[in-house]
Amino acid sequence: GNSVTQMEGPVTLSEEAFLTINCTYTATGYPSLFWYVQYPGEGLQLLLKATKADDKGSNKGFEATYRKETTSFHLEKGSVQVSDSAVYFCALSDRANSKLTFGKGITLSVRP
Amino acid sequence: DADVTQTPRNRITKTGKRIMLECSQTKGHDRMYWYRQDPGLGLRLIYYSFDVKDINKGEISDGYSVSRQAQAKFSLSLESAIPNQTALYFCATSESTGTGKNEQFFGPGTRLTVL
Repeated sequence: GNSVTQMEGPVTLSEEAFLTINCTYTATGYPSLFWYVQYPGEGLQLLLKATKADDKGSNKGFEATYRKETTSFHLEKGSVQVSDSAVYFCALSDRANSKLTFGKGITLSVRP
Repeated sequence: DADVTQTPRNRITKTGKRIMLECSQTKGHDRMYWYRQDPGLGLRLIYYSFDVKDINKGEISDGYSVSRQAQAKFSLSLESAIPNQTALYFCATSESTGTGKNEQFFGPGTRLTVL
């Protein structure tokens, strides 16, 4: 079956630090890949997505590239802000039925 | 106004009670989902519905049931709540192109505590 593995957390960074959150996946076929973000007290919202190999998703300074050869979709941001403090989920969507499979999520805290 | 709403937002109940969580959406999407979130486990799919007459079990459906009353409404019921059903519950919706490329839109969540 499909699965998503995220690096263990939590992660604490100083403002303006570089961020990398690792995500690898196992899936049959060619899934679409997503990063969702959950701010405190809120539901999940889409941060970015990529639907085929070598696609790069980007939004709000975050980027992730769909790497089929390494089955990875690592999230990066060059300079984090306090407002980026949230829980980040990597997910994949099965093309056959659009069901999302989530990683366990990782909590990011950015200190001033 | 929010596109996906959930009621109640918080609920405390006792073991054995019947509980219904409701979800409504104004996005016009055919597909709706129920997830639960537990610390360290991410989100797990309970049930999903691709239209009013199509309801499917997810990976953790035991102890839950659902009803799709209309395109815009999808309810989750716990017939006899137990403490390990204490969690944060999310409803989500998506378009029905069937390609798997579409994002899901989430409600704000319902925090359920079963004592």
